Amino acid sequence: GAGVSQSPSNKVTEKGKDVELRCDPISGHTALYWYRQSLGQGLEFLIYFQGNSAPDKSGLPSDRFSAERTGGSVSTLTIQRTQQEDSAVYLCASSQGRELSYEQYFGPGTRLTVT
Amino acid sequence: GDSVTQMEGPVTLSEEAFLTINCTYTATGYPSLFWYVQYPGEGLQLLLKATKADDKGSNKGFEATYRKETTSFHLEKGSVQVSDSAVYFCALILSGGYNKLIFGAGTRLAVHP
Repeated sequence: GAGVSQSPSNKVTEKGKDVELRCDPISGHTALYWYRQSLGQGLEFLIYFQGNSAPDKSGLPSDRFSAERTGGSVSTLTIQRTQQEDSAVYLCASSQGRELSYEQYFGPGTRLTVT
Repeated sequence: GDSVTQMEGPVTLSEEAFLTINCTYTATGYPSLFWYVQYPGEGLQLLLKATKADDKGSNKGFEATYRKETTSFHLEKGSVQVSDSAVYFCALILSGGYNKLIFGAGTRLAVHP
């Protein structure tokens, strides 16, 4: 079946502009995660959605970052007033639920470059 | 804070050599431990996992044993292949948490024929 998809695959933006990154999880997966992979910080957790529960936003680096998940499916990560340090690969993952027995499946990522 | 430390790369080996990639962790409670692999041009994939002390995770010839006494989860393979060339990430999930993965920095493995 289809895996996690992300769009766009690459995004180049000017400093100060807003960007939106999209994640389509595997159908039926109730848990959705965003991570960031950057040269300086490695792989770090950003935000987690589980069903209709309030998201865990503890990993968002600043208030310029926000995310939503509509209808329990597609998620959008928004970065406002982008800075050069936001340049990274943004990864989305989904799983069937929050139990540890459920594997997190990762998408191919969106490479964001802020010039 | 909770963290994962893994050996720096790159690790360069000849085909059929023995591989060890060290991983140690610091965590409250009893975390679950994972190895993820990122092949060139591909997304992250789960390689193996262990959810309690003394568990051994294994897959594709790779093994790792959850050692609570040494807070370690070293990855091993007896005979590497060129196709094993990738970046390997050790990670943990805290017990009772939201299943957010805490990753190590990654170790790049290059296997030469």
